[in-house]
Amino acid sequence: GESVGLHLPTLSVQEGDNSIINCAYSNSASDYFIWYKQESGKGPQFIIDIRSNMDKRQGQRVTVLLNKTVKHLSLQIAATQPGDSAVYFCAENTQTNAGKSTFGDGTTLTVKP
Amino acid sequence: DTGVSQDPRHKITKRGQNVTFRCDPISEHNRLYWYRQTLGQGPEFLTYFQNEAQLEKSRLLSDRFSAERPKGSFSTLEIQRTEQGDSAMYLCASSSSGSPRLFFGEGSRLTVL
Repeated sequence: GESVGLHLPTLSVQEGDNSIINCAYSNSASDYFIWYKQESGKGPQFIIDIRSNMDKRQGQRVTVLLNKTVKHLSLQIAATQPGDSAVYFCAENTQTNAGKSTFGDGTTLTVKP
Repeated sequence: DTGVSQDPRHKITKRGQNVTFRCDPISEHNRLYWYRQTLGQGPEFLTYFQNEAQLEKSRLLSDRFSAERPKGSFSTLEIQRTEQGDSAMYLCASSSSGSPRLFFGEGSRLTVL
């Protein structure tokens, strides 16, 4: 069935280091992927997205990589800051499911000062 | 604040009671979504509207759940005869038609005793 999953439920990094959060998906028809950040007590917040015709997209301090061959998605955060501590979700979408996204279970990122 | 707003933020109820949540989306967005999130999990899709039309409902949505968006603006999610298993965060999101990027509210946390 369709699922989006993350490799590790938790990740702890030192402030200033780079963070890499991984996600595996199983629906080969997925053509749009989004990373969200959710802070405690808040709703998920959009970080960055990527379409299936791309393999890399960069934002401010964040980069998303897509490997369709192995159905793998990653989020790289450069120079991780304490404010980056949150739960990160990957979500996938297909044109046939244009009205909804399927979310993975999340990786909790903790940034140590 | 012109983001997605949800009310109430917290609701504690006894099993068997009915509860209703309200969501006000971003005004220019014509799509509105309801998701449910339990602790440690990613958001699960429940239903979505395009304008006032409810276009899709998840199999997770039992007949005790009903959602409306009567004028294509705000939406309500009602849960009848609540059960302890309904305890969760109910998230509302909105988007522009054709964009999978979701803008979430802060959520309504339901606790059923």
